Amino acid sequence: GENVEQHPSTLSVQEGDSAVIKCTYSDSASNYFPWYKQELGKRPQLIIDIRSNVGEKKDQRIAVTLNKTAKHFSLHITETQPEDSAVYFCAASIRQAGTALIFGKGTTLSVSS
Amino acid sequence: ETGVTQTPRHLVMGMTNKKSLKCEQHLGHNAMYWYKQSAKKPLELMFVYNFKEQTENNSVPSRFSPECPNSSHLFLHLHTLQPEDSALYLCASSQEGGGRPQHFGDGTRLSIL
Repeated sequence: GENVEQHPSTLSVQEGDSAVIKCTYSDSASNYFPWYKQELGKRPQLIIDIRSNVGEKKDQRIAVTLNKTAKHFSLHITETQPEDSAVYFCAASIRQAGTALIFGKGTTLSVSS
Repeated sequence: ETGVTQTPRHLVMGMTNKKSLKCEQHLGHNAMYWYKQSAKKPLELMFVYNFKEQTENNSVPSRFSPECPNSSHLFLHLHTLQPEDSALYLCASSQEGGGRPQHFGDGTRLSIL
């Protein structure tokens, strides 16, 4: 069945460093890849997304890259701040025309000052 | 203000009880979803409704029964639950069609005694 692998499961960085989280997906029909941030006790919030016709997208300190051939996409956070500490989830759409998403297991990012 | 409201926020019930979770979205979306989030597990898709029609049922036990009376409301009816069903249940909504971001509610924290 469809699957999304996410690595690493935990990531600790110093404030100001960069953080990279990587995901791979199995369904070649997937064409939408959102990233969510979930702070402790709060709901997941969309932070950035990318569609399969785009290789890279950037929004201030956050960027996402997509390699369709390798079925691989990554989240890059530059100049990390303590408030970036949270669990980050990648996701991939299931089937080209469908609305459902399959999520990775999440990465707990800790940014220390 | 999330646009997706879930009630109750917390629920404690015995294994023989019957209860319902409610979700309401004010975003004009026409697709709604139920997810289960357990500790150290990915978000697990349970059900998908598009235009009030169920389009996904991810092998969910029959003790969970969804209901979608209209595009703005989604219920999850619970009966004879097991301790392993204790989790955070998240509702989300989106526009129908591929590549649409999902907006989450704050979830219902369910504890089964």
